[in-house]
Amino acid sequence: QVQLVQSGAEVKKPGASVKVSCKTSGYTFTNHVIHWMRQAPGQRLEWMGWINAGDGYTQYSQNFQDRVTFTRDTSASTAYMEVSSLRSEDTAVYFCANAMSDSRYWYFIHWGRGTLVTVSS
Amino acid sequence: EIVLTQSPGTLSLSPGERATLSCRASQSVSSTYLAWYQQILGQAPRLLIYGASSRATGIPDRFSGSGSGTDFTLTITRLEPEDFAVYYCQQYSSSPLTFGGGTKVEIK
Repeated sequence: QVQLVQSGAEVKKPGASVKVSCKTSGYTFTNHVIHWMRQAPGQRLEWMGWINAGDGYTQYSQNFQDRVTFTRDTSASTAYMEVSSLRSEDTAVYFCANAMSDSRYWYFIHWGRGTLVTVSS
Repeated sequence: EIVLTQSPGTLSLSPGERATLSCRASQSVSSTYLAWYQQILGQAPRLLIYGASSRATGIPDRFSGSGSGTDFTLTITRLEPEDFAVYYCQQYSSSPLTFGGGTKVEIK
């Protein structure tokens, strides 16, 4: 079955960077895209962007394009999301989810369980 | 950017009652590219509905979605104890993908 397993919780100081991993299994990694979302405490889900696991093409939401980088390791069927210059407002649970390459199908059946990133001095 | 506004913010109902949740878009969502999710505290969202009205695999038929354009509805015909949760709509009609603010369905 399809699984997305995310890395564990992180505590970072303001100004630092964090890298979250999303290890996938149960499907052909390179035939899909990985989307990243985040959810601050008590807030709505916020879409951050996506990476094509096949060719590495990325698209970022305007709110994140300056500080976020998506990468992937096809040999490990794993996607990564790195946020730099962290600030307290980045405290949130970060989720990965997979989807087909065709944007007509960009609803999310399979999600990771989320990674809590806490930014605190 | 398409802004999704959900109402009400909180719905207080008893098990067995009917729940009607609304999701209104700031501009038309083309081809009914709208999904609904259920989220229980501390968990990832669970897909309920896609394409505005198609139930995802394994979702009970007490959940149904309807609507088009800018107005969409999620209906739960008879609330079961496990249905008390937060529900979000999401549009995938245009980038950036956006989510609504959520409706909390709580036990009355």
